Amino acid sequence: GENVEQHPSTLSVQEGDSAVIKCTYSDSASNYFPWYKQELGKRPQLIIDIRSNVGEKKDQRIAVTLNKTAKHFSLHITETQPEDSAVYFCAASIHSGGSNYKLTFGKGTLLTVNP
Amino acid sequence: DTAVSQTPKYLVTQMGNDKSIKCEQNLGHDTMYWYKQDSKKFLKIMFSYNNKELIINETVPNRFSPKSPDKAHLNLHINSLELGDSAVYFCASSQTLYRGRTLNTEAFFGQGTRLTVV
Repeated sequence: GENVEQHPSTLSVQEGDSAVIKCTYSDSASNYFPWYKQELGKRPQLIIDIRSNVGEKKDQRIAVTLNKTAKHFSLHITETQPEDSAVYFCAASIHSGGSNYKLTFGKGTLLTVNP
Repeated sequence: DTAVSQTPKYLVTQMGNDKSIKCEQNLGHDTMYWYKQDSKKFLKIMFSYNNKELIINETVPNRFSPKSPDKAHLNLHINSLELGDSAVYFCASSQTLYRGRTLNTEAFFGQGTRLTVV
């Protein structure tokens, strides 16, 4: 099955700096790569996603890149703010016929932005 | 007006008991999921249903039995609860799209149910 590795597990940056979180996946059939943000005690919420036919996507201070050949994708947050502090999860989704999808999550990165 | 709602939010129970967690989504999605998030924050899929049909059943003890009476509901029943079942359980839903090829879309999560087995 799919295996998603995420690094680092914790990341501490100063406000205004950039943060980068990296993920690799094992199954080349994966075709959808969402990123979720989970604040303490709350539900995971999608912040950005990318499909396998796109190499990069940007939404304001957040960008995601995908390298299908190397099977890795990354989340980039620029000009970090304290409210960016949360656990970030990458995920990879395989469509294996019909309605059979499996969204496999990385183990999460605890991002702390220090004022 | 919550999109994906789970009840209860907190559940404290003794070992050996049987409990249920309910989930409902009003997004009109055709796929629903149960995820378990343990104390280390790992999010692991347990089950996936599409239009009331079981699609994914990960390696989960058969004490866990999902039930989907209709595509808007996916309940989770747990028999003979054990200490190791303590975790936050998230329900989620997503919609299958068909645009020349089948696409899956983002999963919307419920607020979670914190289960504590004592």
